[in-house]
Amino acid sequence: QKEVEQNSGPLSVPEGAIASLNCTYSDRVSQSFFWYRQYSGKSPELIMSIYSNGDKEDGRFTAQLNKASQYVSLLIRDSQPSDSATYLCAVTETDSWGKFQFGAGTQVVVTP
Amino acid sequence: DGGITQSPKYLFRKEGQNVTLSCEQNLNHDAMYWYRQDPGQGLRLIYYSQIVNDFQKGDIAEGYSVSREKKESFPLTVTSAQKNPTAFYLCASSRRGGSNQPQHFGDGTRLSIL
Repeated sequence: QKEVEQNSGPLSVPEGAIASLNCTYSDRVSQSFFWYRQYSGKSPELIMSIYSNGDKEDGRFTAQLNKASQYVSLLIRDSQPSDSATYLCAVTETDSWGKFQFGAGTQVVVTP
Repeated sequence: DGGITQSPKYLFRKEGQNVTLSCEQNLNHDAMYWYRQDPGQGLRLIYYSQIVNDFQKGDIAEGYSVSREKKESFPLTVTSAQKNPTAFYLCASSRRGGSNQPQHFGDGTRLSIL
C-alpha cells in the first residue's frame, strides 16, 4: 500500500512567521507532487505543483522536493490568519495513469 | 467563468434509496474523478474517467456507480449497497489523465443518512 504521510497538527504559527509543512511518501518513483489548501467545510484548492528536486516559489509559498529522501515540504512565509486551513499533500503514482494519493492533511492555525 | 459545478450542495438519503450526485465541468477537461472525504482522512478515489464512455474503478468503488456519456458530465450514484454513505463527495477534473496533470475540484456535496 503506497502511503502519503503528513502530521495532522494543528500547527500553530504566529502571524508573520513561517509555517513549515512536511509530507513523506513511500513510492520511490513518484514523479509529481501537489499541495492543496482546504478551508473548513470547503473543497481543496490547488496551491503548488512541483515535479523536480529543489525549490519552487510562488508568492509567499515555497515548495521543496527531495526525491532521494522521499519528502516534499511547503513553506508559508509571512503567515496570515487567512492561511488558517488544512493543507493536503498529493503524490502521483507512476505505475498507473497518474492516480493521486492524498495525505490526510496538516491543519494550520495562524494566531494574531 | 470556467469551473466545476456540483449539485446539490447537501443531500439526504433514506434507507434503501439510491441517490445521484451531479458533476458538470466547462473546462473542456478530458479526465474526471470522484473522491470521498471522511473527517480527518485524506481523499479516497471512487471512480475516474479519462475519456467519454469509459471509466474505471478507484479504491473504494463498491456501492457506487458512474456514467460518462458526455465530456462535461460525470454523475455519481450512491446505491443502497453503500452502507456508510455519509461523507463529503468531491468531483475533480484535469485536462487529461497523466501524472503531471493537476486536478481541480468542485465545491462538493455533503451526503447524510436520514
